[in-house]
Amino acid sequence: QKEVEQNSGPLSVPEGAIASLNCTYSDRGSQSFFWYRQYSGKSPELIMFIYSNGDKEDGRFTAQLNKASQYVSLLIRDSQPSDSATYLCASRLVNKFYFGSGTKLNVKP
Amino acid sequence: SAVISQKPSRDICQRGTSLTIQCQVDSQVTMMFWYRQQPGQSLTLIATANQGSEATYESGFVIDKFPISRPNLTFSTLTVSNMSPEDSSIYLCSVAQPGGTGELFFGEGSRLTVL
Repeated sequence: QKEVEQNSGPLSVPEGAIASLNCTYSDRGSQSFFWYRQYSGKSPELIMFIYSNGDKEDGRFTAQLNKASQYVSLLIRDSQPSDSATYLCASRLVNKFYFGSGTKLNVKP
Repeated sequence: SAVISQKPSRDICQRGTSLTIQCQVDSQVTMMFWYRQQPGQSLTLIATANQGSEATYESGFVIDKFPISRPNLTFSTLTVSNMSPEDSSIYLCSVAQPGGTGELFFGEGSRLTVL
């Protein structure tokens, strides 16, 4: 079983809509969680991190963590074509980081 | 966040040769990692580069194939030895500070193509 699981997509949403990306993790000891955006041919770029239950908002992005369900999500409001990328979910357990396989998001103009 | 510079950014290599990738960070960092990302795949951790001691390798990766140096807290190298076309990947240097909540940051990556 992989530590972090994501739906590979692609997830297609129209411009202006809310994109919802989800991931689950298996180790309850995981301490923090991260969302990275990766454009084709580029390295991952950190968008948000969260370590407390609940929501954390930053601009158009909201990360949600539910430790009881071992579930992390990322909401992107007012999606733009420039948001089209692969989104990687990651967990941190002490000094190791585990990555999901990524969800490809397509935002259609 | 730390600024991480990698070089080369890309290279085309011949089968059987070796290539060393350098990673320079603009501040001292405790934790430094090397990842591989094969085409269309997610990130796979190769090893943790330990300052002043041997790197810690993940299952499936060995020191003879991927020797790593970490002479100080701002610099590391990864060598890909005796390359084959299966080694064609993006190799990423990344850094983090210790503790349970610190973020992981990536360099720009080194894209290797082995012919």
